[in-house]
Amino acid sequence: QSVLTQPPSVSGAPGQRVTISCTGSSSNIGAGYDVHWYQQLPGTAPKLLIYGNSNRPSGVPDRFSGSKSGTSASLAITGLQAEDEADYYCQSYDSSLSGLYVFGTGTKVTVL
Amino acid sequence: QVQLQESGPGLVKPSQTLSLTCTVSGGSISSGSYYWSWIRQPAGKGLEWIGRIYTSGSTNYNPSLKSRVTISVDTSKNQFSLKLSSVTAADTAVYYCARVFSRVGATGGGHFDYWGQGTLVTVSS
Repeated sequence: QSVLTQPPSVSGAPGQRVTISCTGSSSNIGAGYDVHWYQQLPGTAPKLLIYGNSNRPSGVPDRFSGSKSGTSASLAITGLQAEDEADYYCQSYDSSLSGLYVFGTGTKVTVL
Repeated sequence: QVQLQESGPGLVKPSQTLSLTCTVSGGSISSGSYYWSWIRQPAGKGLEWIGRIYTSGSTNYNPSLKSRVTISVDTSKNQFSLKLSSVTAADTAVYYCARVFSRVGATGGGHFDYWGQGTLVTVSS
């Protein structure tokens, strides 16, 4: 049902860099709508990680960065740490019948 | 610091109506230009947006749920509520309430900057 597609899982060793892709379409990301990212630690509510494609809320480490191009967006985590092990979701706005707010399928990040 | 807290029954029978309330603290629900939303997450699955309400009472719903959803706001109690009718087991999920923030210059409907802790609702007889 999710309109935005993410890889189910990515993994990396501590200190490495990992990226998560978020692929949409012409009715959401491709239409120029902002992409936002959320981190969900096990058993907790999602937490805003990146807003407006590449902006970090106060308190989010600069190890997290976001970008957007065309119909896709990416989240990069550099200097991977054990506490980064979580589920990550992208979110955007959709002008079709999919609903105003659409989320990605989610990506599980595993720190090896 | 804005805080949101969901409340309501954790168990609902099939075909009945699910009712949840989100209480906002740390600020007035009427202050600022915010929408207030409900989002749900079945166990082990992704996030699904349910709908949003503005403090004027204006609402928007996910088309897939629109026929069964009603979101309302009570500014005197600093609360907004969700009603989902004719529930089935497929509606079993953790339900979150969240604030929608749309910054100046943003494109799209904004992002969810504050979330409640979530409440599990199970649909079962």
